[in-house]
Amino acid sequence: GAVVSQHPSRVICKSGTSVKIECRSLDFQATTMFWYRQFPKKSLMLMATSNEGSKATYEQGVEKDKFLINHASLTLSTLTVTSAHPEDSSFYICSARETVRHNEQFFGPGTRLTVL
Amino acid sequence: QKEVEQDPGPLSVPEGAIVSLNCTYSNSAFQYFMWYRQYSRKGPELLMYTYSSGNKEDGRFTAQVDKSSKYISLFIRDSQPSDSATYLCAIRGDSNYQLIWGAGTKLIIKP
Repeated sequence: GAVVSQHPSRVICKSGTSVKIECRSLDFQATTMFWYRQFPKKSLMLMATSNEGSKATYEQGVEKDKFLINHASLTLSTLTVTSAHPEDSSFYICSARETVRHNEQFFGPGTRLTVL
Repeated sequence: QKEVEQDPGPLSVPEGAIVSLNCTYSNSAFQYFMWYRQYSRKGPELLMYTYSSGNKEDGRFTAQVDKSSKYISLFIRDSQPSDSATYLCAIRGDSNYQLIWGAGTKLIIKP
């Protein structure tokens, strides 16, 4: 139980295009999901907290117009990187908080974004 | 001072050895202590979590929390090459579900 999926697992895009990443909780409902960014050999950096049905809360220094987050249902949150640039290339990971059995965050497998 | 300190390693040990991974933290208000394992290019996997002080055991893994010293540990017995990964500690308070992360320790188990 407590499985989180992400799609796509890897994406390569041209500079200036937008990319959407989906995060789904497969066997539980998640009122809260989190989006992280991870640079090589570094720990996870929280970008934003996403609550179902309301606006996401962004961490300091994260551009909300650049990284659009939508949490439209209890099992799906999306992150859209708008007008992507090479410096946006990174490993993006989502997590969902499972509240019934563990009350902790479970992570998706991550999405590797490469912007050319 | 960072809220959570963790030696990034790498830590290299022979197969079968007992591994000790550690983190220190600064805020005594933290109550929940987690260990995640992350394989290369994968998302973190929750290994163990502990509330408040004490030990918790699950198979070859033991998590230990010493709140008086603000020190948390993960022990791996009979280590296997498949345990080679980065191990991240994470902590949080009672009411805030945001995790405070350690830097992660890269562990290498040599066959």
